[in-house]
Amino acid sequence: DAGVIQSPRHEVTEMGQEVTLRCKPISGHDYLFWYRQTMMRGLELLIYFNNNVPIDDSGMPEDRFSAKMPNASFSTLKIQPSEPRDSAVYFCASRHGDGYTFGSGTRLTVV
Amino acid sequence: EDQVTQSPEALRLQEGESSSLNCSYTVSGLRGLFWYRQDPGKGPEFLFTLYSAGEEKEKERLKATLTKKESFLHITAPKPEDSATYLCAVRMNYGGATNKLIFGTGTLLAVQP
Repeated sequence: DAGVIQSPRHEVTEMGQEVTLRCKPISGHDYLFWYRQTMMRGLELLIYFNNNVPIDDSGMPEDRFSAKMPNASFSTLKIQPSEPRDSAVYFCASRHGDGYTFGSGTRLTVV
Repeated sequence: EDQVTQSPEALRLQEGESSSLNCSYTVSGLRGLFWYRQDPGKGPEFLFTLYSAGEEKEKERLKATLTKKESFLHITAPKPEDSATYLCAVRMNYGGATNKLIFGTGTLLAVQP
C-alpha cells in the first residue's frame, strides 16, 4: 500500500488567494482526519470524517476553512481567502481500528 | 480539560547514553496512548499503542510504559539514527472524543556520535 498520499508537498501562495490541499487515504480506512502542525501549537485536529461524512469540525479555526470528502478515496481542505497566519504544515491521516496512518504533509506558506 | 504534556521539550544525548521521555496526561477516560516518531519533513510514524496501566511494549532500543497518569518512552543505548521528534497522543473513551488523537507538543531528541 502506498500509504496516505497528500498533494502538493509544498505550496506558496499570496495572501488572499484560495488554497486547496488534497488527500488520498488508505483504501479500506473508514476515518479521515485533517491536522495542522505549527511550532507554537503542535498538532491540532481540524476536522474528521467517518465514511465520508464530516463528524466533528470544531477545530476548524474559522469560516475561511472548509473540508470535503466526496468519496472514500479523496478529501480536500480549502482555505479561502488565505492569510499569513495559516502558514503551517497540514497533515491528513486515515484510520481503521486503532491504526492511525499519517501522510507526509503539505507545507503551506502564505506571503 | 483533556491535556497532554511532554517533557523535556528537547534532549541531547551522547550515543549510548540511555534516557527517558515523559508524557503526562489528564483525561476523563483513556482508551489508548500512542507514541509516534516524526522525522524532519515527514509525517508522524507509529511506534506503540498502550491501553492499560502496567502495560509495556518494546521495539529495538525503545520501550514504552504506561501508568494511570503518565507514559515513559525509554531509549536504551541510543544511536544517531534515533534522532527525531517523539510525539505522544491520547485517545479518550467517551463520546466523539473516542475518534480523535490529542497530541502533546513533542520531545526533540538529538543523539550525537
